[in-house]
Amino acid sequence: KQEVTQIPAALSVPEGENLVLNCSFTDSAIYNLQWFRQDPGKGLTSLLLIQSSQREQTSGRLNASLDKSSGRSTLYIAASQPGDSATYLCAVPPGGSNYKLTFGKGTLLTVNP
Amino acid sequence: EAQVTQNPRYLITVTGKKLTVTCSQNMNHEYMSWYRQDPGLGLRQIYYSMNVEVTDKGDVPEGYKVSRKEKRNFPLILESPSPNQTSLYFCASSLGFAGELFFGEGSRLTVL
Repeated sequence: KQEVTQIPAALSVPEGENLVLNCSFTDSAIYNLQWFRQDPGKGLTSLLLIQSSQREQTSGRLNASLDKSSGRSTLYIAASQPGDSATYLCAVPPGGSNYKLTFGKGTLLTVNP
Repeated sequence: EAQVTQNPRYLITVTGKKLTVTCSQNMNHEYMSWYRQDPGLGLRQIYYSMNVEVTDKGDVPEGYKVSRKEKRNFPLILESPSPNQTSLYFCASSLGFAGELFFGEGSRLTVL
């Protein structure tokens, strides 16, 4: 059974700092990995989707990397801003005929002005 | 605008009173799914559907039913709600099961 772990569970940084969020998964037979952002009381918004054949994906100040062999993905946020404060989750659809998506529990990020 | 719409957004009900949470998407997506989110437990998949008339259980299906009679709609049915089904529910859809996932705004359900 796929297990997804996100460390740290919470992170507080001053504005302007570069930071890295981590996501690890136990079964490397995956199609892709997706990063989401969730604001309090809101739905999840897709940030980046990395295909299993890719190593990196970039969108603005966000860069996500994927290392299937080690079962790890990182989300790098450059020059953090208070508006980046949210919970960040990663999700993994497994390979084969298992169509159940597995989510990490998320990292709660607070960027202080 | 591409979106996933859930209704109701908030609901307080009593034990045993059947309820349905509707979910509709306007992106012609084949894959749709339901999740519940609880503090400390994260997002857990309840049911998913690969296409019309094709549904399957997720990790926590007990106490829930779904149907997929049309491509755009995927309602979640609680036949006899219990207090342990108090939660925040999300519907999501994607082009294929491994595609970019789009979420609804969520439905907060309280069962007394």
